[in-house]
Amino acid sequence: QQQVKQSPQSLIVQKGGIPIINCAYENTAFDYFPWYQQFPGKGPALLIAIRPDVSEKKEGRFTISFNKSAKQFSLHIMDSQPGDSATYFCAASKGTSGSRLTFGEGTQLTVNP
Amino acid sequence: SQTIHQWPATLVQPVGSPLSLECTVEGTSNPNLYWYRQAAGRGLQLLFYSVGIGQISSEVPQNLSASRPQDRQFILSSKKLLLSDSGFYLCAWSVLSGAAEAFFGQGTRLTVV
Repeated sequence: QQQVKQSPQSLIVQKGGIPIINCAYENTAFDYFPWYQQFPGKGPALLIAIRPDVSEKKEGRFTISFNKSAKQFSLHIMDSQPGDSATYFCAASKGTSGSRLTFGEGTQLTVNP
Repeated sequence: SQTIHQWPATLVQPVGSPLSLECTVEGTSNPNLYWYRQAAGRGLQLLFYSVGIGQISSEVPQNLSASRPQDRQFILSSKKLLLSDSGFYLCAWSVLSGAAEAFFGQGTRLTVV
């Protein structure tokens, strides 16, 4: 049973646009929500993460919005650039030692020049 | 700082041949270690995880096995490869206690022919 649902599967935006990727989770015990960025042929790299005690976290052009009651969180990329073209994965875990991450299926983002 | 090494980067193996992929972590002790597989254009499937030497948990029954002979070494093996074993294999680590973010290696592209 998939516990983290991610949408859309793919997304195309123009340079300067604001792509938004959404994730929904089922397990209310989850309390740690990271986003990973993966370029072709490379391993995923941690981009930004949030815990449910805040509703928003911003790091540079990347922002996570978190809605605990709806069990949803999303990634916003401000002023997107062609170099942001990659696959993005959301994930969730219980945030405790040894807890394993549950990943979404990924979103392939293309930012056109 | 912590680093993770995974090799080889690419591998082409015939059906029925054995497999050994190695992963080592530097700069940390007692890490949790993980093996993931990623099919083309798909998400991350957790294959094995380990919380200590000789302690291996399997997430998906299959033609693969994992071993952890040393604290910071994680090996993925197969006695006889199948065509369906082709994919992108990723090793990852996380700290034993505290935050649950995982850090990935650069991956091994395995093609079984």
